[in-house]
Amino acid sequence: GAVVSQHPSRVICKSGTSVKIECRSLDFQATTMFWYRQFPKQSLMLMATSNEGSKATYEQGVEKDKFLINHASLTLSTLTVTSAHPEDSSFYICSARPNNQPQHFGDGTRLSIL
Amino acid sequence: AQSVTQLGSHVSVSEGALVLLRCNYSSSVPPYLFWYVQYPNQGLQLLLKYTSAATLVKGINGFEAEFKKSETSFHLTKPSAHMSDAAEYFCAVTRSGNTGKLIFGQGTTLQVKP
Repeated sequence: GAVVSQHPSRVICKSGTSVKIECRSLDFQATTMFWYRQFPKQSLMLMATSNEGSKATYEQGVEKDKFLINHASLTLSTLTVTSAHPEDSSFYICSARPNNQPQHFGDGTRLSIL
Repeated sequence: AQSVTQLGSHVSVSEGALVLLRCNYSSSVPPYLFWYVQYPNQGLQLLLKYTSAATLVKGINGFEAEFKKSETSFHLTKPSAHMSDAAEYFCAVTRSGNTGKLIFGQGTTLQVKP
């Protein structure tokens, strides 16, 4: 079946550091990928829709300059949390859609900012 | 606008007992509905989906759900709970087929007691 790989699975870094998270579709091409944020014991909040070859579409309230998204190829989207601070600590999950199939999710990235 | 409400943030059942997780939706257009499961520190795995075909949908791991338009519900059931079913369950809705943005419910934690 369709596989979405997310890397790294866990990141711990100092405040002010920029962190890049990768989301790859391993056995299919994805023109669209989605980035979610999940706080403890809460649901997934859609942050942005990543579109291959064009700008990402951000949800209301999500800072574009804080969460940079690049979708340079049909199998890779990256989320960069710039100048991360403790309040950015969260679980970030990406998803991608094989042709006309439901979204398949990566295993998530646990980001901890000290 | 679309929304999903999961009744009960926490459900506890005994091993072997019936599992019933409730989901009600609101949608101005025919919805596509999904149930996902999330194990700790992992992404989401699709259990089953409703896409306007059969109203009773069978998924993986013995789960099934019934779409009831009159009740705007899509409750998830399993006849006999296993310890391995303990996880977080999310109901989700989308409007434009399988490929639209997913709107998630708040999630229900399923606890299975021995």
